[in-house]
Amino acid sequence: SQTIHQWPATLVQPVGSPLSLECTVEGTSNPNLYWYRQAAGRGLQLLFYSVGIGQISSEVPQNLSASRPQDRQFILSSKKLLLSDSGFYLCAWRGRERAYEQYFGPGTRLTVT
Amino acid sequence: QQQVKQSPQSLIVQKGGIPIINCAYENTAFDYFPWYQQFPGKGPALLIAIRPDVSEKKEGRFTISFNKSAKQFSLHIMDSQPGDSATYFCAARDSNYQLIWGAGTKLIIKP
Repeated sequence: SQTIHQWPATLVQPVGSPLSLECTVEGTSNPNLYWYRQAAGRGLQLLFYSVGIGQISSEVPQNLSASRPQDRQFILSSKKLLLSDSGFYLCAWRGRERAYEQYFGPGTRLTVT
Repeated sequence: QQQVKQSPQSLIVQKGGIPIINCAYENTAFDYFPWYQQFPGKGPALLIAIRPDVSEKKEGRFTISFNKSAKQFSLHIMDSQPGDSATYFCAARDSNYQLIWGAGTKLIIKP
């Protein structure tokens, strides 16, 4: 069965510090991978998606970046965090079949202070 | 138009009542309409989905009603329970196989 992992679960970082969030998927090959951000009490904002290793599409211009160094690994990074980067970061994957279904990870709660 | 408009933003219903959440879209190229359920501190999970050639789909206490001509679809929860309290998102799949998300509805079922 497929499993998606995210870490860390929670993170408190000062403004201006770097960020690295990691997501890994098990039990599937060549998935589409997604990074979303959810502000408190708000909807899902798609940040990045990837259809393969090294292939990243950005949906929103910002100080965040994403990388996919391996087939089942997706990394979200920032060189300098802003207060507005606070939120709940969710990684998701989609298989080649049942393409309407995205499977979400447990999320990372980021607070920038 | 790559938007899905979801309403209401929040909803409070007594236990046993039937909450209804509505979504509307413009893009007729959308070809799949899933609903996701999200509990606090968790990622969303697929609840139920419907294709536009079907007018209704039921899974347990959850029903999607789909009106293709009006470009609207809705989620009904029969015999609602406090455990159904969550945020619900509608979505639509576009021609690039991406999901376009509604803004979410926070549902509270009062005991």
